[in-house]
Amino acid sequence: DGGITQSPKYLFRKEGQNVTLSCEQNLNHDAMYWYRQDPGQGLRLIYYSQIVNDFQKGDIAEGYSVSREKKESFPLTVTSAQKNPTAFYLCASSRASGSIDTQYFGPGTRLTVL
Amino acid sequence: AQTVTQSQPEMSVQEAETVTLSCTYDTSESDYYLFWYKQPPSRQMILVIRQEAYKQQNATENRFSVNFQKAAKSFSLKISDSQLGDAAMYFCAYRSVDSNYQLIWGAGTKLIIKP
Repeated sequence: DGGITQSPKYLFRKEGQNVTLSCEQNLNHDAMYWYRQDPGQGLRLIYYSQIVNDFQKGDIAEGYSVSREKKESFPLTVTSAQKNPTAFYLCASSRASGSIDTQYFGPGTRLTVL
Repeated sequence: AQTVTQSQPEMSVQEAETVTLSCTYDTSESDYYLFWYKQPPSRQMILVIRQEAYKQQNATENRFSVNFQKAAKSFSLKISDSQLGDAAMYFCAYRSVDSNYQLIWGAGTKLIIKP
């Protein structure tokens, strides 16, 4: 089955620690995205990547880092510099070409800072 | 900059009835895409329906349809014959044709289905 997987589903972090959230897709999509979702708010874009070895900052990139070494993988690292990392994180992917590039989402990771 | 507004934080509807969720957006562009996504309690974001701004015909997907009013910058979602499984958060999203594939999201509407 084609789709997007995210792991872990729940993640707990102590203050001062870096943690990495995994996102893998087997849809052969070129573009991948990371969003943050807070209660009562819409999604906010953290980083996106249109092609391997290239990525751009979104609206709230501070305190986060990403890599795109493989087409199917786009891990997100939440660093200790992120002041308020407790949130729900969603990964998405889409075709980079074409007209209406619908984004498809993974099941998400809930990160809690203890 | 474009913005998307969903003015109804919460809506409720009786099972089997019809409900309409509102979405307005602000843009100076003439060509763009609009989407409705559903987020059930599992929290996975699921595409419900999408509309290209250059198409005058309103998109329809089974029980879901949109009322796209380009001049009014309105993109409402109508759900017919509401089912218990429709209970979810519904998000409206906008994407510019010329953007770097970025979606701009509304804050969401929580839909409650009464049995």
